[in-house]
Amino acid sequence: EAGVAQSPRYKIIEKRQSVAFWCNPISGHATLYWYQQILGQGPKLLIQFQNNGVVDDSQLPKDRFSAERLKGVDSTLKIQPAKLEDSAVYLCASSGGAGGSYEQYFGPGTRLTVT
Amino acid sequence: AQSVTQLDSHVSVSEGTPVLLRCNYSSSYSPSLFWYVQHPNKGLQLLLKYTSAATLVKGINGFEAEFKKSETSFHLTKPSAHMSDAAEYFCVVARRNAGNMLTFGGGTRLMVKP
Repeated sequence: EAGVAQSPRYKIIEKRQSVAFWCNPISGHATLYWYQQILGQGPKLLIQFQNNGVVDDSQLPKDRFSAERLKGVDSTLKIQPAKLEDSAVYLCASSGGAGGSYEQYFGPGTRLTVT
Repeated sequence: AQSVTQLDSHVSVSEGTPVLLRCNYSSSYSPSLFWYVQHPNKGLQLLLKYTSAATLVKGINGFEAEFKKSETSFHLTKPSAHMSDAAEYFCVVARRNAGNMLTFGGGTRLMVKP
């Protein structure tokens, strides 16, 4: 089966600009996650969707970050305006295939550099 | 609340020697525990998982981990390291039956010398 797809793979922007990331989960997976992984640290959950509803966004900086999952499939994560400390790898994961497995499958990530 | 501590940020071994990556966890609930591996410029891959069945869990590529509740540990081991094992390893805790929200440790970078 195809894995989790993310694009772009790399993005370089200047501070105060905006940027958007896209994620396509594994077909049939109801749950989708966005993580932020700062260099040298483990991933940190930003937001979790169940179908097209938000389950947890307690660690999402809502003044600048937003995410949506229209139609319960693809998702986009946006940052506006970006700050230097947003430089990180943004990972998308999905879970919840046949049998309700909780195992999360990760995409390759988008590496964001803010200058 | 739950948290994970990976006791070593870097581990270096010679090819063919045993690997030990240490992990301690804290959880107010019966946890699920995982080890993920991340190769450079690749996505995270699940190595193995503990979800309350056998305490000794076998994973892919010859890795295994033992859940020790009394020590709140979930150390990852492999009898013989291979050059391809060089990567970043993450110990992860999840609260079972609670949305599967993962809490990652800080990671251990494994280096394998020829």
